[in-house]
Amino acid sequence: EVQLVESGGGLVQPGGSLRLSCAASGFTFSNYAMSWVRQAPGKGLEWVSTIIGSGDDTYSADSVKGRFTISRDNSKNTLYLQMNSLRAEDTAVYYCAKSDTVTTTFLTNWGQGTLVTVSS
Amino acid sequence: EIVMTQSPATLSVSPGERATLSCRASQSVRSNLAWYQQKPGQGPRLLIYGASTRATGIPARFSGSGSGTEFTLTISSLQSEDFAVYYCQQYNNWPRTFGQGTKVEIK
Repeated sequence: EVQLVESGGGLVQPGGSLRLSCAASGFTFSNYAMSWVRQAPGKGLEWVSTIIGSGDDTYSADSVKGRFTISRDNSKNTLYLQMNSLRAEDTAVYYCAKSDTVTTTFLTNWGQGTLVTVSS
Repeated sequence: EIVMTQSPATLSVSPGERATLSCRASQSVRSNLAWYQQKPGQGPRLLIYGASTRATGIPARFSGSGSGTEFTLTISSLQSEDFAVYYCQQYNNWPRTFGQGTKVEIK
């Protein structure tokens, strides 16, 4: 059974940093692209970033480019999101999601999410 | 960026009735369209991919259709567990984009 467990969320001041982690199990992690998708309180889903299975290619939304970095450690079956220069508008539940293939297509499995709150 | 527009924003349906949800793309996404269901406090669940293929374990009452810019998700006979928010997403272009969601509520 595929399991995705996010961690690392919390309260951070504007301008601060946070690193999210997503522990994956139940599948061969390196064979699949992985993504982060966020959801602001009471709002819809917003794609944030995707990394292919090898980790060689990444894609990010313009809203986080230059501030957020997606990475993965295939030896630890873990996905990361390093978030720097955080803003109030980054407040959201952050979901980790698995793609259908090693590159990227739709999102087959999602975690339960971790809440990031940016506030002074 | 491809803008995905869902309608209606809220759909009030009685259990056992049919629900029809629409999703429109601002430019063609071919058949690279997925539908997700989200219940309160949970992560989304994949329902449909390739515009019309049901994901593993999804009941046959869920069906998807369309290609290009116009897509539909139909729930043939609503069950109590189907009341939720539904999102479409295109995966044809970067950035990946979602519709704003349709909430299916009990009438």
